Amino acid sequence: DGGITQSPKYLFRKEGQNVTLSCEQNLNHDAMYWYRQDPGQGLRLIYYSQIVNDFQKGDIAEGYSVSREKKESFPLTVTSAQKNPTAFYLCASSIPRDRATEAFFGQGTRLTVV
Amino acid sequence: GDSVTQMEGPVTLSEEACLTINCTYTATGYPSLFWYVQYPGEGLQLLLKATKADDKGSNKGFEATYRKETTSFHLEKGSVQVSDSAVYFCALTTDSWGKLQFGAGTQVVVTP
Repeated sequence: DGGITQSPKYLFRKEGQNVTLSCEQNLNHDAMYWYRQDPGQGLRLIYYSQIVNDFQKGDIAEGYSVSREKKESFPLTVTSAQKNPTAFYLCASSIPRDRATEAFFGQGTRLTVV
Repeated sequence: GDSVTQMEGPVTLSEEACLTINCTYTATGYPSLFWYVQYPGEGLQLLLKATKADDKGSNKGFEATYRKETTSFHLEKGSVQVSDSAVYFCALTTDSWGKLQFGAGTQVVVTP
């Protein structure tokens, strides 16, 4: 089945550590996105990529980094510079298609700083 | 910039009651509008969408009509079930890639 796989489902990080969240898709989608979800705040865009080896900052990119070396993969690194990293992280992908484009989401990774 | 405003929750309903979740938007371009649903501990699933004024999106008994004159896209269901308990997000995009602007989400709790 085609879809988006995020791993791990739960992740615990000590303060000062970098962690990397995995996102893989087999939908052959060009665009991939990382969103952060906090209670009562909806989803906010961290980074997005529309093509391999290119990516753009979203609304809350500080303290995060990404890479897009393959079309299928878009890992997110939460660095020690991110002051409040505890959140639910969602990866999504889409394919450009006039006005009917919809994004498909993974199951999410819940990151907790301990 | 673009923004989406939706009613705050939680909304608590009895089974078979009617549900309405209000959503209004501001956008610099001509947006496409979406409702996504999130079940506990999961990612988001597309519930329905509309791409131009007066379009009606529908799925699983839910409906929403794109009202350009009132910049609204309210979600409605005539008779909810316990399985409809979830968080509902209104969202828009103004580009062809699908980059979304979300509302804050509305939690819906349906009791037997």
